Amino acid sequence: AQSVTQLDSHVSVSEGTPVLLRCNYSSSYSPSLFWYVQHPNKGLQLLLKYTSAATLVKGINGFEAEFKKSETSFHLTKPSAHMSDAAEYFCVVRPSGTYKYIFGTGTRLKVLA
Amino acid sequence: DGGITQSPKYLFRKEGQNVTLSCEQNLNHDAMYWYRQDPGQGLRLIYYSQIVNDFQKGDIAEGYSVSREKKESFPLTVTSAQKNPTAFYLCATGGGKVEQFFGPGTRLTVL
Repeated sequence: AQSVTQLDSHVSVSEGTPVLLRCNYSSSYSPSLFWYVQHPNKGLQLLLKYTSAATLVKGINGFEAEFKKSETSFHLTKPSAHMSDAAEYFCVVRPSGTYKYIFGTGTRLKVLA
Repeated sequence: DGGITQSPKYLFRKEGQNVTLSCEQNLNHDAMYWYRQDPGQGLRLIYYSQIVNDFQKGDIAEGYSVSREKKESFPLTVTSAQKNPTAFYLCATGGGKVEQFFGPGTRLTVL
């Protein structure tokens, strides 16, 4: 069965320091992978996506993620956190050939001044 | 301006009432989805529709119903059979590109 595991439910970083949000997945075939961000009481916004092209994916607002098939990971990084990055982040998998999306339970990022 | 609209933004329901949440899109996407979000949990799929006049149950369909009479619209009814409906409900589309696009959400509270 396909699944997504976000390894940290909460992450705190100081402003200006690097961000690492971890995601591991299991999927039978080559999946599509996504990171979304959600601010309080808002919908989800796409940060970036992997669809079997380059394994290092650049997204909006300075975020990037690396697809590592051998480790079944898709960790999200940013070199320098900004206060506006404080939000909830979801890792999502879409198995090949399906219309369904599988969501992780989310990681709440807190940015300290 | 393309996008997904959900209404109302806030909705209050009395015990035993049915309520309907609206979701409209002008992205010309074939697939539409309804998710439920509870604090500390990921999104859970209620129903999805790949084409007009067809829809499938998701993981938590009990107590909910949907219709897909038009490509642009995918309303969700929360029935009295749903015992714990207080949650944040998100509508999404897909099929145009590989990713999903989300509406702003409706927060439903049972009084």
